[in-house]
Amino acid sequence: DAGVIQSPRHEVTEMGQEVTLRCKPISGHDYLFWYRQTMMRGLELLIYFNNNVPIDDSGMPEDRFSAKMPNASFSTLKIQPSEPRDSAVYFCASSLSGARDTQYFGPGTRLTVL
Amino acid sequence: SQQGEEDPQALSIQEGENATMNCSYKTSINNLQWYRQNSGRGLVHLILIRSNEREKHSGRLRVTLDTSKKSSSLLITASRAADTASYFCATEVGGSQGNLIFGKGTKLSVKP
Repeated sequence: DAGVIQSPRHEVTEMGQEVTLRCKPISGHDYLFWYRQTMMRGLELLIYFNNNVPIDDSGMPEDRFSAKMPNASFSTLKIQPSEPRDSAVYFCASSLSGARDTQYFGPGTRLTVL
Repeated sequence: SQQGEEDPQALSIQEGENATMNCSYKTSINNLQWYRQNSGRGLVHLILIRSNEREKHSGRLRVTLDTSKKSSSLLITASRAADTASYFCATEVGGSQGNLIFGKGTKLSVKP
């Protein structure tokens, strides 16, 4: 298995632009998670899905952030409009049984908003 | 506030020595997991210990869990330069299916 795939690996954009991050979870995993990692705040859970349905989006910082999972093999995290404080590494992870199980992380997308 | 907090924040040792990292948490848990993150990479799962377990081993790793003290420790024996990474504990808070809360990590440096 190729593991969790994220794209792009690096994204540099200007403030106000729309940013879309993509994730392909491991086949057969029912849970998908989006995390954000910064030096100041560490690793934060933004949102997670179970069987393509958003379960908990309480970690999404603002309405500028949105996430979708149209099918079991694809999810997007969108930021519109982006701001410099959104600069971080965004990770996608998937697992069989949520927090009771191993989570498999993708390589991350390093986002820089100028 | 942070559920899990690792201690120390940074640790520097020589190759061959043992490394011990600690994690304290605040509320009751169903399980506790340890992850490793190499610089510029995603997190990699190391070991999961359930709330009814006290100790678990995996290769050179030994994890203990003391639910009365709300703490866990990760011991890496006979460390290698390749063990240089950040190590995170993560706790599953009771009643939540997906909410795994990560600490801020211990940065381990193993000098050859």
